[in-house]
Amino acid sequence: GENVEQHPSTLSVQEGDSAVIKCTYSDSASNYFPWYKQELGKRPQLIIDIRSNVGEKKDQRIAVTLNKTAKHFSLHITETQPEDSAVYFCAASKNRGSTLGRLYFGRGTQLTVWP
Amino acid sequence: ETGVTQTPRHLVMGMTNKKSLKCEQHLGHNAMYWYKQSAKKPLELMFVYSLEERVENNSVPSRFSPECPNSSHLFLHLHTLQPEDSALYLCASSQDQGFYEQYFGPGTRLTVT
Repeated sequence: GENVEQHPSTLSVQEGDSAVIKCTYSDSASNYFPWYKQELGKRPQLIIDIRSNVGEKKDQRIAVTLNKTAKHFSLHITETQPEDSAVYFCAASKNRGSTLGRLYFGRGTQLTVWP
Repeated sequence: ETGVTQTPRHLVMGMTNKKSLKCEQHLGHNAMYWYKQSAKKPLELMFVYSLEERVENNSVPSRFSPECPNSSHLFLHLHTLQPEDSALYLCASSQDQGFYEQYFGPGTRLTVT
């Protein structure tokens, strides 16, 4: 099955700085990569996703990049704010086979943004 | 409440008890999921239902028994659990299986004593 590794497990940045979280995956057939944000005591929520036919996607202060050859993808948050503090999970999925649509999650990154 | 709801939010049960977790989605989705979230571990998919049929069971112990009576409701029946089963149990739904956003419920914090 798929194996998703996520680094770092914790990340502290100063407000206004950028934050980068990296994930690698093992199954070259994976072609969908969402990122979920989970604030303390709340449910995970999708913040951005990317499909394998594009290399980068941006939505305001967040962006995701994908390198299919190297099998890694990254989340970039610019101009961080205290409300960005949360646990971020990456995931990988593919649209065929017996595991259609199943999300394989990384272990999560605790991001803390200091004011 | 709109979206995905779960009850109860907190549950403490003994190892010999039987209890059930309930999930309800108000989004008209066709796929529903149970996940287990333990500290320092990735979210673990337990069960997937698509159009009320179970499509995946990831080697989950038989002390966890899912039920999906219709596309809006999902249950997880628990019996003779172990302390290591203590975790946050999250329900999620999506429009269909595949590349669709999964909407999570608030979770049930389960403690097995």
